[in-house]
Amino acid sequence: DQQVKQNSPSLSVQEGRISILNCDYTNSMFDYFLWYKKYPAEGPTFLISISSIKDKNEDGRFTVFLNKSAKHLSLHIVPSQPGDSAVYFCAAGRGAQKLVFGQGTRLTINP
Amino acid sequence: EADIYQTPRYLVIGTGKKITLECSQTMGHDKMYWYQQDPGMELHLIHYSYGVNSTEKGDLSSESTVSRIRTEHFPLTLESARPSHTSQYLCASTQAGTSYGYTFGSGTRLTVV
Repeated sequence: DQQVKQNSPSLSVQEGRISILNCDYTNSMFDYFLWYKKYPAEGPTFLISISSIKDKNEDGRFTVFLNKSAKHLSLHIVPSQPGDSAVYFCAAGRGAQKLVFGQGTRLTINP
Repeated sequence: EADIYQTPRYLVIGTGKKITLECSQTMGHDKMYWYQQDPGMELHLIHYSYGVNSTEKGDLSSESTVSRIRTEHFPLTLESARPSHTSQYLCASTQAGTSYGYTFGSGTRLTVV
């Protein structure tokens, strides 16, 4: 039972354009959501998060949008840079319970 | 600088060997986790601990074992490594009750030949 799904295993975007990564979830009890970025042979690093009481959180080039009615969140990166090429994991949590991770989306930024 | 440390970063060993992957954190976090990840695949939780002397198996069945004798230390042991254990192993921690995410170590890339 996959509670957090990232349906696009890969995404290719031209440098300077907007990258949009999507994530869907099934558990309406989740109260916070996070995005992690992972390079090969490295551990995931925290990127940005959002509480369920908000619908948008912005940090520099990164913005996360939450649509609770659709149980959908997205990560926007603009403008995309070559260093953004990595695997992005969406994660969701409820209170102090374990995070649930999506399958990841590999983002490739092309020059 | 990293507050959670994993050693070794890379390990190549022969089948049948016993190995221990080390994970230590300096943040005083109560909760620690071990994930297994193959290239291009999702993170699979294999073990977790909510405090000293507390360990639980995760969602993915694993032949490895863990111990939590000290808050800061959460080693993972494979008694007899096999090629199917080849993977990346990621350790993470978080403070109990927090709504913030996990802090991950840099991982151990294990290859069993």
